[in-house]
Formats: sequence, structure tokens, C-alpha cells
Amino acid sequence: DARVTQTPRHKVTEMGQEVTMRCQPILGHNTVFWYRQTMMQGLELLAYFRNRAPLDDSGMPKDRFSAEMPDATLATLKIQPSEPRDSAVYFCASGPGRTNGETQYFGPGTRLLVL
Amino acid sequence: AQSVTQPDIHITVSEGASLELRCNYSYGATPYLFWYVQSPGQGLQLLLKYFSGDTLVQGIKGFEAEFKRSQSSFNLRKPSVHWSDAAEYFCAVVFNQAGTALIFGKGTTLSVSS
Repeated sequence: DARVTQTPRHKVTEMGQEVTMRCQPILGHNTVFWYRQTMMQGLELLAYFRNRAPLDDSGMPKDRFSAEMPDATLATLKIQPSEPRDSAVYFCASGPGRTNGETQYFGPGTRLLVL
Repeated sequence: AQSVTQPDIHITVSEGASLELRCNYSYGATPYLFWYVQSPGQGLQLLLKYFSGDTLVQGIKGFEAEFKRSQSSFNLRKPSVHWSDAAEYFCAVVFNQAGTALIFGKGTTLSVSS
């Protein structure tokens, strides 16, 4: 049963610290998405990649957030420095990349709390 | 502007009763349409999706949804709700036919009473 995995599942940190979240997409999937879920904003797209190249990161605060795919099996989302307003659940999703509007498969999320 | 609206923030339904969750979108063309469910502390699971063809689509867990172009709606239904259906439900849309990023509604929380 192929799944998207995310680590860590929970993270508590202090303001100003660097946070790194990792995602392993489903093997063979070549699109990867990062979403953020908050009570106020709901689910919003931060960035997405196809074949490891960033296609859209317009939803991401550029000054502190960065997203990369070092290889096809790993996507990372970094926040440096973190701020309390970054507290949210961060979801990674992957898709096969064969068609437009394809189904995205979500990981369990990383619940981040910045104190 | 392109948007997805779920008018009901919270719905309570008695176990065994029918359910309909509403979703409307604002867009000139027909988008790709999805319903996801999120249980507390969990990720999102796809219930069903509509790309084209038959406007009534069947999904998992006994859910179905009907696409109505004239109303720009994609409402989710279930004839008989089970207590395990209590969760948050998200309607999502891909607006750009050349893209894949999902735009989500704000979600509807479903409570099931016994």
C-alpha cells in the first residue's frame, strides 16, 4: 500500500529556529505539492514541483521559506527563521504527473508549533 | 476571481439520515472537481472526483456527488450516514486545465448524532 510519508509528525520549536520538514512521495510519482492548513486560512498551496523542478512557489513567503527536491524520493520544506504565525499543519502530496487535474495523495502532515 | 465555496461550516446529522454537503465554484470553464475527507489528526483522503462524462460520480464509503454545470455546484451526498463519517470534508478544484494545484474550500465539519 503505497503512501506519502512525512517527518516529523509533530514539531515544537522556538521562534527564530530553523525547521525542516521532509516528505517522501509515492514511488514513481513525479509531482509533489506542499500545502499548509490553518484555522484562519484553511488549506492553501505553498509550492509544487514536477520532475523535481519547482513550477509554482507563489504561495510561499520567500524570505523565510524554501522548498527543494534533492532527489526524486525526497522533498523538503524549510523555514528559517520560524515565527509563531508559521504554526500550522503542513501537508505534502504527490501525484503521478500523467494528466492535468490528477489525483493527489496526501501524507499525514507535520504539525508545527512555533512558540 | 476563481473560488471554491462551502457554505456550511458545520452540519449535524442523525445516524442513518441522509447527508448533502454543498460546494460551489466560480470559474468560466468546467474545472476538475474533488471531494476529500479529513479525520481528526489525519491527512486527506480522496472520496471521489469528476473530470468529465457522467455527472453523477460514485466514490468510496458510499458517497456520491453530482456535478451541475448550470449551478456551478458539486454537492456530496450519502443516503445513510454512519457515526464513522464524522470528519471534515473538503471540496477542491483544479481551475487551470493545464495545471494541477488544488484550490480548497474552507471545509464542512460533519457531526453525527445517535
